[in-house]
Amino acid sequence: ETGVTQSPTHLIKTRGQQVTLRCSSQSGHNTVSWYQQALGQGPQFIFQYYREEENGRGNFPPRFSGLQFPNYSSELNVNALELDDSALYLCASSLNDRGTYEQYFGPGTRLTVT
Amino acid sequence: SQKIEQNSEALNIQEGKTATLTCNYTNYSPAYLQWYRQDPGRGPVFLLLIRENEKEKRKERLKVTFDTTLKQSLFHITASQPADSATYLCALAPDSGGYQKVTFGTGTKLQVIP
Repeated sequence: ETGVTQSPTHLIKTRGQQVTLRCSSQSGHNTVSWYQQALGQGPQFIFQYYREEENGRGNFPPRFSGLQFPNYSSELNVNALELDDSALYLCASSLNDRGTYEQYFGPGTRLTVT
Repeated sequence: SQKIEQNSEALNIQEGKTATLTCNYTNYSPAYLQWYRQDPGRGPVFLLLIRENEKEKRKERLKVTFDTTLKQSLFHITASQPADSATYLCALAPDSGGYQKVTFGTGTKLQVIP
């Protein structure tokens, strides 16, 4: 077990709604990255948070936003849900030090938008 | 644009044989390359990391090579076992200081036949 937890496990939402997904980092890790994984695809980088600040962003629109809290847990918020947002959402925690690039993934949240 | 290619077709191999998976990339100069294992419905699990100045890395039955001239990494599992059956993802990242934007390939599904 990696120690990274995510909630909820599964979620069904309607197009246009908003959703918040949560991630609890592995103890001692200060960096959280969020990924979207469509069926049969590799994870796509959404953004990364380091010490409560956004530290980089992939090609996702502004309706994808996030937060990192002082205890390094994190949230991913998606507004105005679209059908294409249906995917497995993964968070990964890591320790952002030189030479330390291993990411530890949570089990993911399966989001279905109808 | 940056592109990472892994064998999209599943790889079937007899138990005990060596499985070799390929990761090719274009328009990218990664500082390091990672391999992950992903089981259905689960988050990826980190296996190995190799840096641009390293040719080969080993861990137990796993071996990774990294050829920055060919822009290719090979991932080997020796003495393969049915428990090795999973999807294997390669991931590349630039060395951008504290920003660890990782780009994943689509993965190769490995099936080890008893």
